[in-house]
Amino acid sequence: NAGVTQTPKFQVLKTGQSMTLQCAQDMNHNSMYWYRQDPGMGLRLIYYSASEGTTDKGEVPNGYNVSRLNKREFSLRLESAAPSQTSVYFCASSAILPANEQFFGPGTRLTVL
Amino acid sequence: GDSVTQMEGPVTLSEEAFLTINCTYTATGYPSLFWYVQYPGEGLQLLLKATKADDKGSNKGFEATYRKETTSFHLEKGSVQVSDSAVYFCALNNAGNMLTFGGGTRLMVKP
Repeated sequence: NAGVTQTPKFQVLKTGQSMTLQCAQDMNHNSMYWYRQDPGMGLRLIYYSASEGTTDKGEVPNGYNVSRLNKREFSLRLESAAPSQTSVYFCASSAILPANEQFFGPGTRLTVL
Repeated sequence: GDSVTQMEGPVTLSEEAFLTINCTYTATGYPSLFWYVQYPGEGLQLLLKATKADDKGSNKGFEATYRKETTSFHLEKGSVQVSDSAVYFCALNNAGNMLTFGGGTRLMVKP
């Protein structure tokens, strides 16, 4: 099993450009999450999807949109990237709610110039 | 709202030394508590968890006890190895859909 996979691993954008971060899981989990990790601030939840067809805002949703494409895939879109969105982005999934063990992907390191 | 506070790092130890990483939390009700570990260049992995007061979570020689009276969940290991070098995150879940993370503590173990 691959677990949780993310693409791309690295990305450099210019301010104002758009991009989509892809995430897929092969564990048949219902719930999926997007986090950002900034130095000294731990992980902060951007959006989550409790089940296929539903999405909800987390702690820091501004500037992002998400799509739960199917049970396996959960994408994160930056419509107009800003330097403040420079971060490492992690996707995670879990089997049940409330949040039990979450399984994390390897991350996408994004730099916005 | 809920919050988790961890000791700031980095923590630098020699191999076979005793490790303690402090974690305290603020939450209403009875949260579940977790320790995650992040090795260089990787995502987070669950290290151990405890779901109620006085529970002890353990894995790979690491232990943490859920102390409701002191709202703490300190991580301990009796003898660290170089391979334990990583960033450790304390987290809680309070009957919702979200994990609340501490800021992380970097551990460096020297041979």
